[in-house]
Amino acid sequence: GIQVEQSPPDLILQEGANSTLRCNFSDSVNNLQWFHQNPWGQLINLFYIPSGTKQNGRLSATTVATERYSLLYISSSQTTDSGVYFCAVRGGSNYKLTFGKGTLLTVNP
Amino acid sequence: GAVVSQHPSRVICKSGTSVKIECRSLDFQATTMFWYRQFPKQSLMLMATSNEGSKATYEQGVEKDKFLINHASLTLSTLTVTSAHPEDSSFYICSASRPTSGGALGYYNEQFFGPGTRLTVL
Repeated sequence: GIQVEQSPPDLILQEGANSTLRCNFSDSVNNLQWFHQNPWGQLINLFYIPSGTKQNGRLSATTVATERYSLLYISSSQTTDSGVYFCAVRGGSNYKLTFGKGTLLTVNP
Repeated sequence: GAVVSQHPSRVICKSGTSVKIECRSLDFQATTMFWYRQFPKQSLMLMATSNEGSKATYEQGVEKDKFLINHASLTLSTLTVTSAHPEDSSFYICSASRPTSGGALGYYNEQFFGPGTRLTVL
């Protein structure tokens, strides 16, 4: 099946800093989603982005499908951005999302 | 839009009892729902795919007789953990797939997740 690798596994920032999270995948995809899992366990949809670039406030994402990676940018980070960020993909005729192991982000005040 | 609820949010039960978890799509109809399991500090592991009106499709290694799934309507799927044991303690999360308009790209299926249910088996 498709493999998803996220980096870095852990990231500690000071409030106000910017960061880039990466997601590499092993095959072509027709669905790529970024999620934020807050400390209470809720997964929040950030982006549906199998290709191209999207922005939503301080967050933006870019997927380069031909090179099989996606980047999530967080600017001017806030303590509420803390949590785990997951990348999940679906490829080919597969109906299932495959999740990466996530990036644990800690933003300190 | 695209809200998925789960009930209960937390449950503690004795070993040997059965626990039912409900997953509802509140503002859209979902022909397909998914059940995941997450251990502490780990990623989500897909357990099964729930299809309205038909049998669930289980992932390899998931016991279908232990984890009973019913998708009785377009807005409700249930997961029943039968004869629960301490090793079944985990965080269970459901998701529902909703067609979303992508404009010129047509429609795509985006998954939306419930808040999860933390199961503790004593």
